[in-house]
Amino acid sequence: SQQGEEDPQALSIQEGENATMNCSYKTSINNLQWYRQNSGRGLVHLILIRSNEREKHSGRLRVTLDTSKKSSSLLITASRAADTASYFCATDAGNSGGSNYKLTFGKGTLLTVNP
Amino acid sequence: AAGVIQSPRHLIKEKRETATLKCYPIPRHDTVYWYQQGPGQDPQFLISFYEKMQSDKGSIPDRFSAQQFSDYHSELNMSSLELGDSALYFCASSLGVAGANYGYTFGSGTRLTVV
Repeated sequence: SQQGEEDPQALSIQEGENATMNCSYKTSINNLQWYRQNSGRGLVHLILIRSNEREKHSGRLRVTLDTSKKSSSLLITASRAADTASYFCATDAGNSGGSNYKLTFGKGTLLTVNP
Repeated sequence: AAGVIQSPRHLIKEKRETATLKCYPIPRHDTVYWYQQGPGQDPQFLISFYEKMQSDKGSIPDRFSAQQFSDYHSELNMSSLELGDSALYFCASSLGVAGANYGYTFGSGTRLTVV
């Protein structure tokens, strides 16, 4: 079943601008993770935020989590052409409610950073 | 550092044939997850193994089976292939439930094309 829905589906910006991607989910979570995927390639883990955290930073990445709204956002600051990729949020419900640890992905946002 | 190794990288099969995909987890990782990503789609969880036992099952067709061997590598066996099975198949590994705390490491995937 679909968990995360991402917004926007596609985003095109100029180098140096900030990019914000949003994700919503439906069920309770243990954590929410963001992954990057270059065209047709593997998924690369970017950042993980636990359900009891509200904000997390890693380099040019900033993630927020609002469990009351079941939503998260990923901000990439000072974007570069090399940031061009698809970005997916994924939720992990942990072992609550009969679930086992695994990821449920959203549809993804295709980010294009123009030089 | 060693990563998750998947083989083959590309595979072309005809309808109704069988295919075997292999996944070699990061050394000492005891948990393996399989995901399927159709064209333009988000990755969907198929099945997972922990210590050579199936730990969870997702949207995996009955035509597919998988197992984890004593050396912790895993194989996904796909029979009676259909055109709709064409997708990227990813494997991820974790040490126990560490992926839920630190994120999962994915392989580069196997691109299966059914003609």
